[in-house]
Amino acid sequence: DQQVKQNSPSLSVQEGRISILNCDYTNSMFDYFLWYKKYPAEGPTFLISISSIKDKNEDGRFTVFLNKSAKHLSLHIVPSQPGDSAVYFCAASGRNYGQNFVFGPGTRLSVLP
Amino acid sequence: DGGITQSPKYLFRKEGQNVTLSCEQNLNHDAMYWYRQDPGQGLRLIYYSQIVNDFQKGDIAEGYSVSREKKESFPLTVTSAQKNPTAFYLCASRKGQTPNEKLFFGSGTQLSVL
Repeated sequence: DQQVKQNSPSLSVQEGRISILNCDYTNSMFDYFLWYKKYPAEGPTFLISISSIKDKNEDGRFTVFLNKSAKHLSLHIVPSQPGDSAVYFCAASGRNYGQNFVFGPGTRLSVLP
Repeated sequence: DGGITQSPKYLFRKEGQNVTLSCEQNLNHDAMYWYRQDPGQGLRLIYYSQIVNDFQKGDIAEGYSVSREKKESFPLTVTSAQKNPTAFYLCASRKGQTPNEKLFFGSGTQLSVL
């Protein structure tokens, strides 16, 4: 059973609009969450993170929101740009030392010019 | 420039053949990881190593083997026992093991079966 879910395999958005990518998790012990962005045939690159003591973290055009009670987080990209077209992975980890990240299946974002 | 180098970028395996994927990092990171990516699936952990000369199985270790003789290097061997090896393989590292230490990834190796 997947512990980290990204239920939308793909998303298309017009350039300049907001992109909202969603992630749900089942393990209440997850305490730290990251978003990675991946272009085809390349390795993922870190985008933004959030820990469970916060409900929002912002970095430029990227904002991550965390709703612990719903076990849900979302990544907002405003405004969306064609270069944002990529696969976005959500990852989660517990709070203990040495725990590994669990990745979701990814959402492919296409930003249309 | 510090980073993680994976080679080769593309690799083909014949039936019954073992192949080895290289991963080298010059980030002075203690922990290294191997993930496998299949279409429509997340990154699944094959093996990881938290320190030199030590490694642990991840979620899908069957048919794979690793070694960690040097801090910088963590090669992955895909053995003939791995019946479905076609996938994109990613090596990653991180400095420590605290939860907020993010992973850094290499550019990946695409393995295909001939």
